[in-house]
Amino acid sequence: QSALTQPPSASGSPGQSVTISCTGTSSDIGGYNHVSWYQQHPGKVPKVMIYKVDKRPSGVPDRFSGSKSGNTASLTVSGLQADDEADYYCSSYGGSNNWVFGGGTKLTVL
Amino acid sequence: EVQLLDSGGGLVQPGGSLRLSCAASGFIFSSYSMNWLRQAPGKGLEWVSYINMDGSDKWYADSVKGRFTISRDDGKNSLYLDMSSLRDEDTAVYYCVRDWAWAFDFWGQGTGVTVSS
Repeated sequence: QSALTQPPSASGSPGQSVTISCTGTSSDIGGYNHVSWYQQHPGKVPKVMIYKVDKRPSGVPDRFSGSKSGNTASLTVSGLQADDEADYYCSSYGGSNNWVFGGGTKLTVL
Repeated sequence: EVQLLDSGGGLVQPGGSLRLSCAASGFIFSSYSMNWLRQAPGKGLEWVSYINMDGSDKWYADSVKGRFTISRDDGKNSLYLDMSSLRDEDTAVYYCVRDWAWAFDFWGQGTGVTVSS
């Protein structure tokens, strides 16, 4: 059982927007602005898409955005494209010198 | 170009030991904290261990505390994970990952560890 809770699946049609939630507690997501999101295509290495809740690393399209409210963080992918189909994982500093991850969400582009 | 080359994985019996290595290049290794993360077959990501820039601070997930030891050799631009008392549930692909802005920005290609008799 993962420390952070994500829906196992999400889907949307090309061009649409989809939001993936990530729920934690006041000890992790709610306590720190150290939430990040990772995209992993099958058989590939994870790639950071969002860091510090809502910041995008260089090279990540602005179609990807992050936010946080209380103990829940969210990743929104706008203008869905076929290549966005992948697994997405959220992560947060968990306090007490540890990091926690969500179980992952499989995003399907219909 | 940042590169992290993981190695040392393999098949080991329960209770056995293994040392993973990660050779870093393309950045000033000594200026970054580093991590090991893992992913069991068909499962999600799990953070395993962290070491700060000068090696003075080390963190471990509860699942590996007391069994795994992280270390680094800045002269060799290398990160290590010494694993002992291995269990079936340690079977996973292990990734060497650079720490940046409270996130994990560059990942090695991973090295597979299988614990089985």
